[in-house]
Amino acid sequence: SQKIEQNSEALNIQEGKTATLTCNYTNYSPAYLQWYRQDPGRGPVFLLLIRENEKEKRKERLKVTFDTTLKQSLFHITASQPADSATYLCALRGSQGNLIFGKGTKLSVKP
Amino acid sequence: NAGVTQTPKFQVLKTGQSMTLQCAQDMNHEYMSWYRQDPGMGLRLIHYSVGAGITDQGEVPNGYNVSRSTTEDFPLRLLSAAPSQTSVYFCASSYVVDGTQYFGPGTRLLVL
Repeated sequence: SQKIEQNSEALNIQEGKTATLTCNYTNYSPAYLQWYRQDPGRGPVFLLLIRENEKEKRKERLKVTFDTTLKQSLFHITASQPADSATYLCALRGSQGNLIFGKGTKLSVKP
Repeated sequence: NAGVTQTPKFQVLKTGQSMTLQCAQDMNHEYMSWYRQDPGMGLRLIHYSVGAGITDQGEVPNGYNVSRSTTEDFPLRLLSAAPSQTSVYFCASSYVVDGTQYFGPGTRLLVL
């Protein structure tokens, strides 16, 4: 069956360091992968989309990589700040065509 | 643009009661969907619609009904609430089925 795994439920890092979050998938052949941010008590907000033919995508301090051989995407936040503390979700197209979301990784950035 | 709006923000129901969660979007998106989010389970798709008059089931549809009479509105009905339906419900919309999703602020539902 199709599976998306974000292998850390929680990640704690120090301000200024780079946070790296992982999204692994099995039994998918996605054309692209999306990353969302969710703050407590709010709905997820779209951050980045990376296509299968793109190895890397950047947006300000965010960088996403997509390795279709490893079936993995890495999400990096450089020079992390306490304001980056949130839950980050990855999402892929499921067999019905809808987006299927991973369970998320809760990032805490300590000052 | 208001984006995706949901009402109510919070609701308490007794077992067996019915209610409708409202969702509206003003972005002229064809695709709308309902998710529930539970601790440790992530976002799970309940029902979705690819356009007015068309709905289909997602991963966890039991106990829920939907209809889509207009492009803008996509209400979710609980016919007979059960404690297992205690959750946070999110409505989302997008231009295409697997496109960027725009989420509403959520409805927190407690069934006693």
